[in-house]
Amino acid sequence: DTGVSQDPRHKITKRGQNVTFRCDPISEHNRLYWYRQTLGQGPEFLTYFQNEAQLEKSRLLSDRFSAERPKGSFSTLEIQRTEQGDSAMYLCASSLGKKKDRPEVNYGYTFGSGTRLTVV
Amino acid sequence: QKEVEQDPGPLSVPEGAIVSLNCTYSNSAFQYFMWYRQYSRKGPELLMYTYSSGNKEDGRFTAQVDKSSKYISLFIRDSQPSDSATYLCAMSGTGGFKTIFGAGTRLFVKA
Repeated sequence: DTGVSQDPRHKITKRGQNVTFRCDPISEHNRLYWYRQTLGQGPEFLTYFQNEAQLEKSRLLSDRFSAERPKGSFSTLEIQRTEQGDSAMYLCASSLGKKKDRPEVNYGYTFGSGTRLTVV
Repeated sequence: QKEVEQDPGPLSVPEGAIVSLNCTYSNSAFQYFMWYRQYSRKGPELLMYTYSSGNKEDGRFTAQVDKSSKYISLFIRDSQPSDSATYLCAMSGTGGFKTIFGAGTRLFVKA
């Protein structure tokens, strides 16, 4: 397993077009996260999956954004009717779940290299 | 006010210097405190984490958490040019699943 893979690495699209990004997590990881990062800022949480269930969505995720994780494996993030403000790096991360009997153990996230979206 | 505050820098130091990076936070529910390193055009990678308060050391890196002051630090000893990157502090609670990141501090270590 070579880590978290994201595709494409770069995407340039015209305003109003739809785009879809794919993330392949580490196979043993049951948790998958999408974050968005703009220049000079830290990653901002978008959404989280545990297996195939989407358990949390940020208020940043407007109704133009949708994410899926069919069968708890890869995930897709779709942005409809893109706007210039959507230009950012979209990061996917995966992790193991915390152990209830060992709360001090935190596996952290393994991030992919991201998809850089430019809306023109 | 953001939940996690981090000075974006940039911070420029000579090779061999001790580097101190810091974050403050406002949410007392945070229990996991992490430091990630991000190189240009790459995703962040986990450097260290601390559960609750205290110190943790790993090679040239030391992480400190002071929950009473809501303040965390990362120290890098004998800094190297290869340490030049953006350092992100990150925090999460025991009940939730998401991690909140600081804005990141850009560090330059000059040879």
